[in-house]
Amino acid sequence: GAVVSQHPSWVICKSGTSVKIECRSLDFQATTMFWYRQFPKQSLMLMATSNEGSKATYEQGVEKDKFLINHASLTLSTLTVTSAHPEDSSFYICSAYGTSGSWYQETQYFGPGTRLLVL
Amino acid sequence: DAKTTQPTSMDCAEGRAANLPCNHSTISGNEYVYWYRQIHSQGPQYIIHGLKNNETNEMASLIITEDRKSSTLILPHATLRDTAVYYCIVAGGATNKLIFGTGTLLAVQP
Repeated sequence: GAVVSQHPSWVICKSGTSVKIECRSLDFQATTMFWYRQFPKQSLMLMATSNEGSKATYEQGVEKDKFLINHASLTLSTLTVTSAHPEDSSFYICSAYGTSGSWYQETQYFGPGTRLLVL
Repeated sequence: DAKTTQPTSMDCAEGRAANLPCNHSTISGNEYVYWYRQIHSQGPQYIIHGLKNNETNEMASLIITEDRKSSTLILPHATLRDTAVYYCIVAGGATNKLIFGTGTLLAVQP
């Protein structure tokens, strides 16, 4: 149980294009999902908190107009990197947090990550 | 959120127990101790978490000191596949955000 998937697993795009990454909780409902990014040889950095049906909360220094987050259902959140540039190349990882009342409530489960390369 | 301090790296012989320490002296009463690990180029994997009692599951044991200022993750019989970066994170309260530090790189040696 507690499986989180991401799609695509890797993507290469040209500078200036937009890229959408999907995060799904496969066997549980997630009221809250989180988005992280990780540069080589660095730790994960939290980008934003995504709550179902409401606007995402972004961490300081993360541009909300560049990283669009939508959490339209209890099992799906999307991150769109708009007008991507080479400096946006990174490993993007999502996590999902269970709904109240389930044993998943206290724990976040992570997706496998999406590697983005912007040329 | 309370911060944690972990050694940068540790070695362990295959088949032996791996004991990974973590200091979290500023932990507050409603915060949990979480352990995750990240194998190269993968998403973090949940290992175990606890509030104040020791916990054990099929992967590991978590020992939390009585004052909750430190904890130890124990992998009872380390294998080569346990080589990873292990993160100790303290979190809880309204946001449940996980803030990752630099973790401990555990290298299991054959």
